[in-house]
Amino acid sequence: NAGVTQTPKFRVLKTGQSMTLLCAQDMNHEYMYWYRQDPGMGLRLIHYSVGEGTTAKGEVPDGYNVSRLKKQNFLLGLESAAPSQTSVYFCASSFIPLLKGTNEQFFGPGTRLTVL
Amino acid sequence: DQQVKQNSPSLSVQEGRISILNCDYTNSMFDYFLWYKKYPAEGPTFLISISSIKDKNEDGRFTVFLNKSAKHLSLHIVPSQPGDSAVYFCAASATGGTSYGKLTFGQGTILTVHP
Repeated sequence: NAGVTQTPKFRVLKTGQSMTLLCAQDMNHEYMYWYRQDPGMGLRLIHYSVGEGTTAKGEVPDGYNVSRLKKQNFLLGLESAAPSQTSVYFCASSFIPLLKGTNEQFFGPGTRLTVL
Repeated sequence: DQQVKQNSPSLSVQEGRISILNCDYTNSMFDYFLWYKKYPAEGPTFLISISSIKDKNEDGRFTVFLNKSAKHLSLHIVPSQPGDSAVYFCAASATGGTSYGKLTFGQGTILTVHP
C-alpha cells in the first residue's frame, strides 16, 4: 500500500499562473482533506470532501478550488497563484470519523509550492 | 482566533529524560484529541490520541493526559530518544454534528533530544 501520495513534490510558479495538485489514496477512505502549513501557523484546513462528488470549504478556502471525481483522488487547484499561497500543502484522508473508533487522518508527504 | 495553542515553540531535553509537550484549547466542543509527529520533508504521522471520556492514554513510551476542566492536554515521552527529535503537533476535533472529523491544529513544538 502506498498510503497517501501527492504530485508534484515541488513547484515554482509565477504570480497569476495556475496549477493543480493531485492527491491519491489507496486505503478506501471516505474523507479527504487539503491543508497548508506555514511557519508558526500549524496546519490549516483549506477544503475537504466527505465522499466522491462532494466538497466543502475549510478554514482558509479563498483562492483555491477542489474536485473529487473519484473516491481515491482529491485535486487542489490554484486558478491565479499569488505569493501569499507560497506554502507546503498536505493532503490527508480518513475513514468516516469514529466509525472505526478513531478520528485519525493519514497524511501525504507534502508539496512545497513557491509563488514568485 | 487560535482555538488550539502550543505555547512552547521549542523544547530541548537530554536523552533518557522525560519530554513534556503541552497544548491548550478554547473550544468546549472539542472531544477528541490527537498528537502528530513530523520529520522534515515528510507528512505528519499519527502518534497517539485520546477521547474526552478518558483522562489518560498510554502507548509504550508515549502518554497523553487530558484535563478537561483546564482545557489542557500534554504529551509525555519517557524515556526520550534522539530519534524523537521532530515537530509535534497537537490537534483537536469535535466529532459530533457536521464537524466531519475536521482537525484543528496547534502551531507545533520542535523537540530536540540530545544524546
